[in-house]
Amino acid sequence: GAVVSQHPSRVICKSGTSVKIECRSLDFQATTMFWYRQFPKQSLMLMATSNEGSKATYEQGVEKDKFLINHASLTLSTLTVTSAHPEDSSFYICSARASGGERTQQFFGPGTRLTVL
Amino acid sequence: AQSVTQLDSQVPVFEEAPVELRCNYSSSVSVYLFWYVQYPNQGLQLLLKYLSGSTLVKGINGFEAEFNKSQTSFHLRKPSVHISDTAEYFCAVSGFDYKLSFGAGTTVTVRA
Repeated sequence: GAVVSQHPSRVICKSGTSVKIECRSLDFQATTMFWYRQFPKQSLMLMATSNEGSKATYEQGVEKDKFLINHASLTLSTLTVTSAHPEDSSFYICSARASGGERTQQFFGPGTRLTVL
Repeated sequence: AQSVTQLDSQVPVFEEAPVELRCNYSSSVSVYLFWYVQYPNQGLQLLLKYLSGSTLVKGINGFEAEFNKSQTSFHLRKPSVHISDTAEYFCAVSGFDYKLSFGAGTTVTVRA
């Protein structure tokens, strides 16, 4: 089946630093990738949708200057949390939709646990 | 916009017993409905989905769900669970924009 990886799986950083999270589709090409955020005991919340080669579309309430998304190739999207603060600590999950695949089908990565001290 | 409510946050169940996970949704438009499972340290995996047609949907690992439009529900069932079914289960809905809205999840713990 289609596999999506995320790196790193967990990261701890100091307040004020920036953190980059990578999302890769390992065995398929993904024109669209999604970034979600999950707080403990809460649902996944869609942050943004990124299409390869174009600017990401952010959901209401998500700061685009805070959460920079780059989707430079058909197999890689990155999320950079800039000037991270403790309230940014969360579980970040990406998913990918295959090029030419069924539009309802998303393949999910295992997530990245971010802790900001 | 769509929203999802999973009515049970935790469901303990004995091995070989049946299980039902409840999911209700709200939407002003026609929707697609999904159930995902998340095992520890793994990504979400699609169990089943309803797009159209028959309201009884069968998925992987012996799971099935029934779409009930009048009750706006999409409950997930399995007649006999295994220890390996211990996981987090998420109900999700999307409209024609294919953006997923998730419920808060239900933790299923299967005991011998």
